[in-house]
Amino acid sequence: QITLKESGPTLVKPTQTLTLTCTFSGFSLSTSGVAVGWIRQPPGKALEWLALIYWDDDKRYSPSLKSRLTITKDTSKNQVVLTMTNMDPVDTARYYCVHTTTAQRYNFDYWGQGTLVTVSS
Amino acid sequence: QSALTQPASVSGSPGQSITISCTGTSGDVGAYTYVSWYQHHPGKAPKLIIYEVNNRPSGVSNRFSGSKSGNTASLTISGLQAEDEADYYCSSYTSSSTPYLFGTGTEVTVL
Repeated sequence: QITLKESGPTLVKPTQTLTLTCTFSGFSLSTSGVAVGWIRQPPGKALEWLALIYWDDDKRYSPSLKSRLTITKDTSKNQVVLTMTNMDPVDTARYYCVHTTTAQRYNFDYWGQGTLVTVSS
Repeated sequence: QSALTQPASVSGSPGQSITISCTGTSGDVGAYTYVSWYQHHPGKAPKLIIYEVNNRPSGVSNRFSGSKSGNTASLTISGLQAEDEADYYCSSYTSSSTPYLFGTGTEVTVL
């Protein structure tokens, strides 16, 4: 059974760096084709894809946020970490960790419950 | 395009069928068969219910079906049940710089 769980601060101040951790089980990020990513949803707005990291350490980022995002993995801990620099109130959102594979063809078959991050001074 | 367009809300009575539309462009929904749908009960993890336009993952009820015509994809829920009350999001691969595009979301209410 695949599960993903997000953790991190619920409140960050403007200009600070956000660090979110996704801890997963039921699969290995060292298995060929597997990827873990992040998606967010600001209140009342659409979902927005942020980043993806593949089993071979290939990384993909949303072009509009690429300069602020870093995604890394720790295969031994079954964790993926997303950092977002220079946080702004518009970054207030629920952040979801997601699982996919290269066989999935552009969909995400497992999601975490998400973690709400508020950016406010 | 920043998001695919969905109706904000759709409602129906138990047993009825409802359809949720997802309108994109010739650069996303209209160009690819990589349209997926997600069901989200608030407070829970979103769930993939349709992938590649009309395929259901194992374990998803056959009351959920998907289709596509031109730049618009659709999700139909037949035999509406109380447990279907949730938010639904479509998603499509896109030829733009961001490969994944999501819909604005539709709240389904079972009357």
